[in-house]
Amino acid sequence: SAVISQKPSRDICQRGTSLTIQCQVDSQVTMMFWYRQQPGQSLTLIATANQGSEATYESGFVIDKFPISRPNLTFSTLTVSNMSPEDSSIYLCSGETGASYNEQFFGPGTRLTVL
Amino acid sequence: EDQVTQSPEALRLQEGESSSLNCSYTVSGLRGLFWYRQDPGKGPEFLFTLYSAGEEKEKERLKATLTKKESFLHITAPKPEDSATYLCAVRGYSQAGTALIFGKGTTLSVSS
Repeated sequence: SAVISQKPSRDICQRGTSLTIQCQVDSQVTMMFWYRQQPGQSLTLIATANQGSEATYESGFVIDKFPISRPNLTFSTLTVSNMSPEDSSIYLCSGETGASYNEQFFGPGTRLTVL
Repeated sequence: EDQVTQSPEALRLQEGESSSLNCSYTVSGLRGLFWYRQDPGKGPEFLFTLYSAGEEKEKERLKATLTKKESFLHITAPKPEDSATYLCAVRGYSQAGTALIFGKGTTLSVSS
């Protein structure tokens, strides 16, 4: 399976600011996803990052708050905008290839703390 | 609504003490059930995919089984290095399409 890296690995931010998280895959993937993992909670899908077009957001998540880009088959960014303490969480990028259909592999995550 | 419930939330075992983790699910048509292992500070690591009731898969000391309503992850003679959080997820034929629905996980601690 491919290897996913994320930057930054962690950050502490002030409320009202924005943070962009980068996700890089070492090979081309068909699908890329962004998840949130809050303390004591399960992973929740934020959106599917579509190459060259607007991301598909899950219920409860909107583009103005979590803009996503995917300019090619190996790279995506997630921005957490106008942050509040409730956005403190781990943000995870994942990928899936046609060859490994149904095997979704994850990056190490970005631990975000908003003060 | 698709839903996944894992039990117990936490499990403490002695080295060599076999046990099972449970994943109960409700999904509108199962496309796949997935088991992941997550170590502290890391992303989930893929373990197994199960597609239909009666299917079983094994990897070292782990064995996953599937029925129409639940899946079990059996751990045989665990070692301290098996300590981790084990996550269960499902993918169904719902409007959500490719989304994985995760449970909250079972945190396993194995002591020597």
